Amino acid sequence: EAQVTQNPRYLITVTGKKLTVTCSQNMNHEYMSWYRQDPGLGLRQIYYSMNVEVTDKGDVPEGYKVSRKEKRNFPLILESPSPNQTSLYFCASSSGTGGQETQYFGPGTRLLVL
Amino acid sequence: AQTVTQSQPEMSVQEAETVTLSCTYDTSESDYYLFWYKQPPSRQMILVIRQEAYKQQNATENRFSVNFQKAAKSFSLKISDSQLGDAAMYFCAYRVGHSGGGADGLTFGKGTHLIIQP
Repeated sequence: EAQVTQNPRYLITVTGKKLTVTCSQNMNHEYMSWYRQDPGLGLRQIYYSMNVEVTDKGDVPEGYKVSRKEKRNFPLILESPSPNQTSLYFCASSSGTGGQETQYFGPGTRLLVL
Repeated sequence: AQTVTQSQPEMSVQEAETVTLSCTYDTSESDYYLFWYKQPPSRQMILVIRQEAYKQQNATENRFSVNFQKAAKSFSLKISDSQLGDAAMYFCAYRVGHSGGGADGLTFGKGTHLIIQP
């Protein structure tokens, strides 16, 4: 089954404790991205990757890091989480760039930073 | 930069009735795509419908259809014969087409919460 998986699905942590949210897709997609969803703001792109070792900032990259060492994986790293990073995070992938390529979303990771 | 605006934070409709959700967008691109996503309480993002900007014909998917007015930059979603399972958050989204050259992701509106009254 074609899918995007994220782990963990729920996470409670404390300010400053480094964490990683994993994302993996089994569709051999080149393009992967991370979004965060906050009430009243919709979804906003954090980072994206057009292929292995190619990453770039989205609209709200501050406080986040990513890496793309393998095509299927695109982890999101919070080196020193702060309460304003409490949010719902989505990973997404598509076979290429452009709106003609359907983006597949993961199930979301709900993060609470105390 | 592209923007997507959903002016209705919440809408309510009786079961079996028709409801229309509004969306406007702003872009200087000529090649782009518009989407409606549904987010039920499970939080999963589900693609409802997609419209290519170069197509004049409005997209339809079963009970879901759009009214795409390119000159007005308007992209509304009509849900016919509303069902209880349609209750969700609905997001309008935009993405530049492949010829846009960039790697932009989806730009989302803030969402409309749709309530279905039994």
